[in-house]
Amino acid sequence: EAGVVQSPRYKIIEKKQPVAFWCNPISGHNTLYWYRQNLGQGPELLIRYENEEAVDDSQLPKDRFSAERLKGVDSTLKIQPAELGDSAVYLCASSYSRLAGERFDEQFFGPGTRLTVL
Amino acid sequence: GDSVTQMEGPVTLSEEACLTINCTYTATGYPSLFWYVQYPGEGLQLLLKATKADDKGSNKGFEATYRKETTSFHLEKGSVQVSDSAVYFCALSDYYIPTFGRGTSLIVHP
Repeated sequence: EAGVVQSPRYKIIEKKQPVAFWCNPISGHNTLYWYRQNLGQGPELLIRYENEEAVDDSQLPKDRFSAERLKGVDSTLKIQPAELGDSAVYLCASSYSRLAGERFDEQFFGPGTRLTVL
Repeated sequence: GDSVTQMEGPVTLSEEACLTINCTYTATGYPSLFWYVQYPGEGLQLLLKATKADDKGSNKGFEATYRKETTSFHLEKGSVQVSDSAVYFCALSDYYIPTFGRGTSLIVHP
């Protein structure tokens, strides 16, 4: 079974440029998460989807960040414009929840996209 | 809000030494607790979990016990191997928002 796929693995851009990250979760997983991981820190949740609905986006900086999961499968996270402080690893994870709002169980993580903003 | 505190790293050990990585948490409810491991160049993967007080999670020789009275979930292994070198993350979920610790780097020398 294929794991969570993310692309690109690495991205270097200049500040004020836009950037997009793509994630394809494990087949059948209805819940998808985007995290940001700064150097030496643990992952911090940006947004969580249950199917195509964003059920928790309180940590997403909405002035410059946006995300979508149009068909409840793959997802895109966008930053426009990027700032120097956005340099981090962006992780995507997925899980299967039997019931809406179920306390989360095991998450499966992708390898992440390392973003460097110059 | 919820939080997870784990010991600072790196933890450097010789092969076959005993390992303990401390983790304590703060949560308003009754969370599930997890340890994830991240090997170099790879994504995080679940190592073990416990969903209620006094549960013991175990996998690959690692174990951790959910201690509600001390709000702790320390990771232990009796004899580490070079292949255990990685970053270990303690995490909790108390509905909806998972919270991760900062991670503890483990380096095991032959």
